[in-house]
Amino acid sequence: DAEITQSPRHKITETGRQVTLACHQTWNHNNMFWYRQDLGHGLRLIHYSYGVQDTNKGEVSDGYSVSRSNTEDLPLTLESAASSQTSVYFCASSESTSGGANTGELFFGEGSRLTVL
Amino acid sequence: DAKTTQPNSMESNEEEPVHLPCNHSTISGTDYIHWYRQLPSQGPEYVIHGLTSNVNNRMASLAIAEDRKSSTLILHRATLRDAAVYYCILRMVGSARQLTFGSGTQLTVLP
Repeated sequence: DAEITQSPRHKITETGRQVTLACHQTWNHNNMFWYRQDLGHGLRLIHYSYGVQDTNKGEVSDGYSVSRSNTEDLPLTLESAASSQTSVYFCASSESTSGGANTGELFFGEGSRLTVL
Repeated sequence: DAKTTQPNSMESNEEEPVHLPCNHSTISGTDYIHWYRQLPSQGPEYVIHGLTSNVNNRMASLAIAEDRKSSTLILHRATLRDAAVYYCILRMVGSARQLTFGSGTQLTVLP
């Protein structure tokens, strides 16, 4: 079955270190997204991509970067981790739609819990 | 993006119906109404969506007001496994773009 996987599921790092969270989907979806979720809050969009070589900033992109070199993967990099980036990170993907015929349903991974000490 | 308003929390008894409301008074004619839910320690999952007419699927029903300014997600028989945060989200027709999540409604199901 097609799926979306995130790794690592749990990571502890130190302030100032570079961290990369992996996201891999096997649906061949063009659209991929990274969200973060802080305790007791909804999800906030970090970065997103509509296809290979395309990346866009979301509402909380400062301190994060992404790259899209193929359809399957959208790694999220924290260039210099800060304690404020302690959070649960969710990757998601969806098909492209046209004319609203597709639900545009987002499929989410199980999340990566990052702790920055 | 048009905003949605949901109660912070609701309770229901097991095996009883649950009606989760959502207000979206600034909805445009091209916005679909989507519902997602997030079980504890999991990523959100799609529940249902609709545009104008009421919708049913194996998970739930979606009742949309005639003026489309509000909608209600209906779980016909709540189970303990339905305890989750439920998000009501608007998405433009033809768009597979990013979803904007609000705070959602935390549903507690009592045995």
